[in-house]
Amino acid sequence: GNSVTQMEGPVTLSEEAFLTINCTYTATGYPSLFWYVQYPGEGLQLLLKATKADDKGSNKGFEATYRKETTSFHLEKGSVQVSDSAVYFCALRDNYGQNFVFGPGTRLSVLP
Amino acid sequence: SAVISQKPSRDICQRGTSLTIQCQVDSQVTMMFWYRQQPGQSLTLIATANQGSEATYESGFVIDKFPISRPNLTFSTLTVSNMSPEDSSIYLCSVEEIQTTKAFFGQGTRLTVV
Repeated sequence: GNSVTQMEGPVTLSEEAFLTINCTYTATGYPSLFWYVQYPGEGLQLLLKATKADDKGSNKGFEATYRKETTSFHLEKGSVQVSDSAVYFCALRDNYGQNFVFGPGTRLSVLP
Repeated sequence: SAVISQKPSRDICQRGTSLTIQCQVDSQVTMMFWYRQQPGQSLTLIATANQGSEATYESGFVIDKFPISRPNLTFSTLTVSNMSPEDSSIYLCSVEEIQTTKAFFGQGTRLTVV
């Protein structure tokens, strides 16, 4: 079945540091890939997505590129802020079931 | 974009009781899903709510424990039955818009069973 693996947290960075959160997936066919963010006490929010190979999703300074050859969708940001502290979930959605399969989540803490 | 109203936002319940969670969306949607997020863990799909027919449950989830209704294209309920402390989780509704096929999540219901 489909699955998503992402780097275990927690990740603690200083403000303005570079962020990478690794995500790899296993899926049949050509899934769409997503990053969702969950800020403390809030619901899930879509951060970015990519629907086909080599697509780059970007939002709020975050980027991720759909790499079919390595089945990866790593999340990056060049300079994190304290306000980026949250839990980040990598997810995929195939074209058949239409439901999401989520990774375990990575908690990011950014210190001033 | 679809706006989802999920109620209640949180509740504390006694073991052995049941709680029904409502998910109302402001536009017609094709798919409605229910997820569970146990403390410190990721989201797990419970079931797909099908309009006018029985929900489709994922492995490990059964209708007797999590009965689901979906009487129309904009509303669904999930009941957590005969609750135990292990049911303490966040329960989330997710929908897919007909027009755009985009997915949206509700704010979640934080359930604590004591």
